[in-house]
Amino acid sequence: GDSVTQMEGPVTLSEEAFLTINCTYTATGYPSLFWYVQYPGEGLQLLLKATKADDKGSNKGFEATYRKETTSFHLEKGSVQVSDSAVYFCALSRKGGGADGLTFGKGTHLIIQP
Amino acid sequence: KAGVTQTPRYLIKTRGQQVTLSCSPISGHRSVSWYQQTPGQGLQFLFEYFSETQRNKGNFPGRFSGRQFSNSRSEMNVSTLELGDSALYLCASAGGAGGTYEQYFGPGTRLTVT
Repeated sequence: GDSVTQMEGPVTLSEEAFLTINCTYTATGYPSLFWYVQYPGEGLQLLLKATKADDKGSNKGFEATYRKETTSFHLEKGSVQVSDSAVYFCALSRKGGGADGLTFGKGTHLIIQP
Repeated sequence: KAGVTQTPRYLIKTRGQQVTLSCSPISGHRSVSWYQQTPGQGLQFLFEYFSETQRNKGNFPGRFSGRQFSNSRSEMNVSTLELGDSALYLCASAGGAGGTYEQYFGPGTRLTVT
């Protein structure tokens, strides 16, 4: 079945540091890929997405590129802020309108220190 | 546009009881999905409804059930509660327009089973 693997952390960085959170996936066909963020006590917010190979999703300084050859969708940000502290989830969904739900990774807890 | 709302936000139940959770999707969205989030298992897909029909179901026992009404609002029911059902239950709505679609999550209902 489909699966998503990501580093669980916690990942602790200093403010203005460069961020990379690795995400790899296993899925049949050509899934869409997503990064969601969850702040304490809240639900999930869609951060960015990519729907086909070599697509780059970007939002709020975060970027991720859909790499089919390496089945990866790593999240990056050039300079993190304390407000970026949250749990980040990588997820996939199969294309074609199938209502198969999102398959999530375990989540990466990111802590940014001032 | 108002987001996804879930009620109640917090719930405490006793083992053996049943519980009903409610979700109101974003106006115009016809797809509603439910997820269970626990520290051990992470985020797991429960089921998805579209136009009052369950289109897909995750790997959960029959004690977990749901339904969707003509106004797209959805309810999830868990019967004969077990301690392991303690979790954050998240609802997500989507436009459902064929192909890929984005899911927008509500804040969740925190269920504690004692």
